Amino acid sequence: DAKTTQPPSMDCAEGRAANLPCNHSTISGNEYVYWYRQIHSQGPQYIIHGLKNNETNEMASLIITEDRKSSTLILPHATLRDTAVYYCIVTLRGLTGGGNKLTFGTGTQLKVEL
Amino acid sequence: NAGVTQTPKFQVLKTGQSMTLQCAQDMNHEYMSWYRQDPGMGLRLIHYSVGAGITDQGEVPNGYNVSRSTTEDFPLRLLSAAPSQTSVYFCASSYSRGQLTSTGELFFGEGSRLTVL
Repeated sequence: DAKTTQPPSMDCAEGRAANLPCNHSTISGNEYVYWYRQIHSQGPQYIIHGLKNNETNEMASLIITEDRKSSTLILPHATLRDTAVYYCIVTLRGLTGGGNKLTFGTGTQLKVEL
Repeated sequence: NAGVTQTPKFQVLKTGQSMTLQCAQDMNHEYMSWYRQDPGMGLRLIHYSVGAGITDQGEVPNGYNVSRSTTEDFPLRLLSAAPSQTSVYFCASSYSRGQLTSTGELFFGEGSRLTVL
């Protein structure tokens, strides 16, 4: 699996957009970008994933650069409840490709403040 | 659906004792796995299973045993607990290839916090 690099911490004002960057310069053509978050030592929670197109769901948007070497997770209107560690993971998708065996790094601690 | 259920939530053991962490899911997921998380670190994969009767080692399997006799359950056994196994343990499950959907999304339990004295 490709290695990812994330800033260790970020702050965001409540109500503003939180933009969390992730570098994955060694990503291969069939590897997906996944984002999870972990709130206060709870079990990690899936947020979103994508291959090369930008993706949006009810939780967040995922912007992947054209060369796929980096991506940004966007929380459009951050709230205090979005304070968590956010993990960017690059992996193959599907059973035989090891997509279920996600490798979690140390992530980005996002702190949303009033 | 209850999702992924882990028991116990907290446990204190003495060095050399054995115990089993239980994990059950009611989503008919074929894939199940165990992770451990130490302070300030990410999650590390211990063991995983792609279906009943099939298990394999992850990144840090030493000191742990698993079995998968049913689709629903995936217990993690510590045969002789050591202080180095003090950690938070997470069980996770997901759909796998051949099931209706396969996004690679993992569903996690709430964790089991183990202290070995």
